Amino acid sequence: DGGITQSPKYLFRKEGQNVTLSCEQNLNHDAMYWYRQDPGQGLRLIYYSQIVNDFQKGDIAEGYSVSREKKESFPLTVTSAQKNPTAFYLCASSVYRDPYNEQFFGPGTRLTVL
Amino acid sequence: GDSVTQMEGPVTLSEEAFLTINCTYTATGYPSLFWYVQYPGEGLQLLLKATKADDKGSNKGFEATYRKETTSFHLEKGSVQVSDSAVYFCAPNNYGQNFVFGPGTRLSVLP
Repeated sequence: DGGITQSPKYLFRKEGQNVTLSCEQNLNHDAMYWYRQDPGQGLRLIYYSQIVNDFQKGDIAEGYSVSREKKESFPLTVTSAQKNPTAFYLCASSVYRDPYNEQFFGPGTRLTVL
Repeated sequence: GDSVTQMEGPVTLSEEAFLTINCTYTATGYPSLFWYVQYPGEGLQLLLKATKADDKGSNKGFEATYRKETTSFHLEKGSVQVSDSAVYFCAPNNYGQNFVFGPGTRLSVLP
């Protein structure tokens, strides 16, 4: 089945540590996205990528980094510079800026900083 | 850029009640309009969409009509079930832009 996988589902991190969240898709989509969701809040865009080896900052990129070495993969690193990283992180993919079709979402990773 | 306003939640209804969740948007041109649903602890799933004015999207008993004159895309369901309890997001998608997601409306359906 085509879809998006995220791992791990739950992640615990000590303050001062970097941590990497995995996102893989087999939908052959060019575009991939990372969102952050806080309790009772909507989605905020962290980074997005429209093509391999290229990515752009979203609305809240500070303290995060990404890479796009393969079309299928778009890992997100939450660095120690991110002051409040505890949140639910969602990865998505789509045909890039196609107004007629939807974004597909993964199941999410819940990150907790201890 | 584009923006979207959704009805504030939480919305609490009894089973079999009628549901309306309001959504209005601000956009240039003619965006496509989407409703997504998020069940507890999961990612977002597409619920329905409409790509041009007066189109009606429908799925699982939910409906929404693209009203260009009022820039609205209100979500409705005639008879909600406990299993419809979730957070609902309205999202316009316009040419040359990324998706814009509304803040979400939490729905709780009581048996």
